[in-house]
Amino acid sequence: NAGVMQNPRHLVRRRGQEARLRCSPMKGHSHVYWYRQLPEEGLKFMVYLQKENIIDESGMPKERFSAEFPKEGPSILRIQQVVRGDSAAYFCASSRKSSGANVLTFGAGSRLTVL
Amino acid sequence: DQQVKQNSPSLSVQEGRISILNCDYTNSMFDYFLWYKKYPAEGPTFLISISSIKDKNEDGRFTVFLNKSAKHLSLHIVPSQPGDSAVYFCAASVDNAGNMLTFGGGTRLMVKP
Repeated sequence: NAGVMQNPRHLVRRRGQEARLRCSPMKGHSHVYWYRQLPEEGLKFMVYLQKENIIDESGMPKERFSAEFPKEGPSILRIQQVVRGDSAAYFCASSRKSSGANVLTFGAGSRLTVL
Repeated sequence: DQQVKQNSPSLSVQEGRISILNCDYTNSMFDYFLWYKKYPAEGPTFLISISSIKDKNEDGRFTVFLNKSAKHLSLHIVPSQPGDSAVYFCAASVDNAGNMLTFGGGTRLMVKP
């Protein structure tokens, strides 16, 4: 009974490259949330998706960032033309439906380092 | 503008004693508060929560207190155990919505044997 799986766990990119982070929700979960943790800060909400739908992207930077959760396969957070300020830990959480915050299950995170 | 603040980046206590972790918030729209625990290389794990209609919620060794007038909440762990050593995040939400969580910066708790 695997939990929320994120990969890669660590990703190093040079400025200007693209970063793709993947999140496979828990079995039976159809709702995915992405949060970002900058160094020395708490987690900040980025985007909330259901299968094939973006429900809330109010926390997502307007440029270079995009997210999807296709009918088949994992949710993907894509960062184009990365900059040093994108270096952070990116956490994915999932839930069975539009659930309370107390039933979100978080993955172990993907740590992005931009050189 | 940090809406949820944890002013103590770290806390060290002796095993068996009480650990008190504090959290302050500014947004009066928050009506649901949560504590998460995070070990290194793992994601945050939900620990305990409290609705704004209550001022206390207890679950085993963990108790959360909410003071709405002061916009302050605290997590008490008693007795503290070495396995409690982790980073604790306070979070606040509107309507307990998963996409509306605002986290504090975390407090690293170290429980010494």
